Amino acid sequence: DIQMTQSPSSLSASVGDRVTITCQASQDINNYLNWYQQKPGKAPKLLIYDASNLETGVPSRFSGSGSGTDFTFTISSLQPEDIATYYCQQYDNLPYSFGQGTKLEIK
Amino acid sequence: EVQLVESGGGLVQPGGSLRLSCAASGFIFSTYWMTWVRQAPGKGLEWVANIKQDGSEKYYVDSVKGRFTISRDNAKNSLYLLMNSLRAEDTAVYYCARGRLNTDYWGQGTLVTVSS
Repeated sequence: DIQMTQSPSSLSASVGDRVTITCQASQDINNYLNWYQQKPGKAPKLLIYDASNLETGVPSRFSGSGSGTDFTFTISSLQPEDIATYYCQQYDNLPYSFGQGTKLEIK
Repeated sequence: EVQLVESGGGLVQPGGSLRLSCAASGFIFSTYWMTWVRQAPGKGLEWVANIKQDGSEKYYVDSVKGRFTISRDNAKNSLYLLMNSLRAEDTAVYYCARGRLNTDYWGQGTLVTVSS
């Protein structure tokens, strides 16, 4: 199975900061990567698919990049409503494994 | 509006069984793969299983193979997860989600607790 490793596990930042989360796959997954946002007590929400494509309706401050084994998720200017846990997920090989999550907090 | 509503969760003893349901509306259910994802309390997400539009293909994570069965009834716009031989480590919120690779809509989840 493909292992997905996110870093950091938690992150504290100020409103307006640029925030970056990384996700590393244990083998080449091409660009078959999703990013999800999960707020407390809520279901995950798809933000980015195919590593860099923004889901419809998602604010443009969110972006993704990368290919192969190394991927990056960025929030260009952190907003209070962005407080959540973020997960990457590969869909190159079954089972479609998730990273362990990055909990984002406001400083 | 796309809606997915899970039901059927609850408290079950180890070794017991439970069937989860997911009622879909707001889209043509029969044209989408469907997926189950779970989340243990305070933990991350785990992909569990998915099923093709006509039910002809089904895939499972190793930890549930032989114990869980995913199925669907397109006439009823419903997705199911039959869970047998339940273990404590199956305790989680179970989400149904639309899609195979990019799951774009999720239900609110149903909690399954396996405990004596």
